[in-house]
Amino acid sequence: EDQVTQSPEALRLQEGESSSLNCSYTVSGLRGLFWYRQDPGKGPEFLFTLYSAGEEKEKERLKATLTKKESFLHITAPKPEDSATYLCAVQSPSSGSARQLTFGSGTQLTVLP
Amino acid sequence: GAVVSQHPSRVICKSGTSVKIECRSLDFQATTMFWYRQFPKQSLMLMATSNEGSKATYEQGVEKDKFLINHASLTLSTLTVTSAHPEDSSFYICSASHRNQPQHFGDGTRLSIL
Repeated sequence: EDQVTQSPEALRLQEGESSSLNCSYTVSGLRGLFWYRQDPGKGPEFLFTLYSAGEEKEKERLKATLTKKESFLHITAPKPEDSATYLCAVQSPSSGSARQLTFGSGTQLTVLP
Repeated sequence: GAVVSQHPSRVICKSGTSVKIECRSLDFQATTMFWYRQFPKQSLMLMATSNEGSKATYEQGVEKDKFLINHASLTLSTLTVTSAHPEDSSFYICSASHRNQPQHFGDGTRLSIL
């Protein structure tokens, strides 16, 4: 069974204070690792997909990296508008042809002005 | 691109009422749609997966007679919570994907059963 563990559960940063969020996973063959951002009362917003160890993707102040056991979401010089819950999810052969996702419990990020 | 619209955004109704939630992919054809439930400060729990024109596949522990899913077209799926009770109160979220593309999510429906 696929497992996804995110840490920390909550993170408070000052504006401009860079940090990283962690997503550790256990799967029997990774098809893809996904990062989403979720604002309160909203559905998740797609950020990145990573497929293989060593892959990196960037979008504005966010950079996602992947190893064989974990992924990091690096936030450089965050702004208050980056405050949200960041969700990590994996897809594996056990997802079947429907390509279901297994989600972690998320990291709630608060960036203080 | 990849916009998913979910309606209504909030429903408040009496116990015993059936509630229908719509999920539409606005700018792409969704070969697969998913329905999730999310409790406060918890992650998304997959309820069921549906492919257009096929019966939905429900996750273990999800009552298919309680949560009726219809995926009538490549752009529309509906979730009907039948005879809803207070324990069904939750945040329901749909997502849609086209073939191997990532899932894109609607903005969710907050269901409150009195």
